[in-house]
Amino acid sequence: DAGVTQSPTHLIKTRGQQVTLRCSPKSGHDTVSWYQQALGQGPQFIFQYYEEEERQRGNFPDRFSGHQFPNYSSELNVNALLLGDSALYLCASSLGLAGGEQYFGPGTRLTVT
Amino acid sequence: EDKVVQSPLSLVVHEGDTVTLNCSYEVTNFRSLLWYKQEKKAPTFLFMLTSSGIEKKSGRLSSILDKKELFSILNITATQTGDSAIYLCAVKSSNTGKLIFGQGTTLQVKP
Repeated sequence: DAGVTQSPTHLIKTRGQQVTLRCSPKSGHDTVSWYQQALGQGPQFIFQYYEEEERQRGNFPDRFSGHQFPNYSSELNVNALLLGDSALYLCASSLGLAGGEQYFGPGTRLTVT
Repeated sequence: EDKVVQSPLSLVVHEGDTVTLNCSYEVTNFRSLLWYKQEKKAPTFLFMLTSSGIEKKSGRLSSILDKKELFSILNITATQTGDSAIYLCAVKSSNTGKLIFGQGTTLQVKP
């Protein structure tokens, strides 16, 4: 049973650039949520996708956008990168919008220089 | 504003000790509370609690929720070095998938 997968594992970008992170949910799950985890902090909710639509959004600027595909996989895009965007980006999958446990992927470590 | 607070923020114990991690919350329309263990990257799911007073147990780990006092505890007995990790508490409000996380408790178990 495949768990949540994310790619790439690490990424280094320069300020002002754009980045795309990818996530494949756990088998049988249809909902994907994205979180940003800064060093020493708990994860912060970015947004959630269900049925290919953004269903809920946290307190993040429009530079953060996403997409969900018909196979339930998802992308997180960040434009005009800032130094403060350096963090671990976690994807979590679950079944249904208000589903129970969310299972997390290994994350993508983004460093902005 | 919805808030989840964990304490202590860090803890150092020796193998064999018992530890109790705390999580308090102020969340509109509480639905469930979840505990995760984060070692290197991916938080791994430990427990989901929805009802007060019902203890969930898995091996040396156990957790309980008090919805009246708005807190949960995670107990780890007979700690081992492999228990060293960050323990995250998160709360989900009704009808949404959003998890609100605390800052985490960093546990270090020394041999």
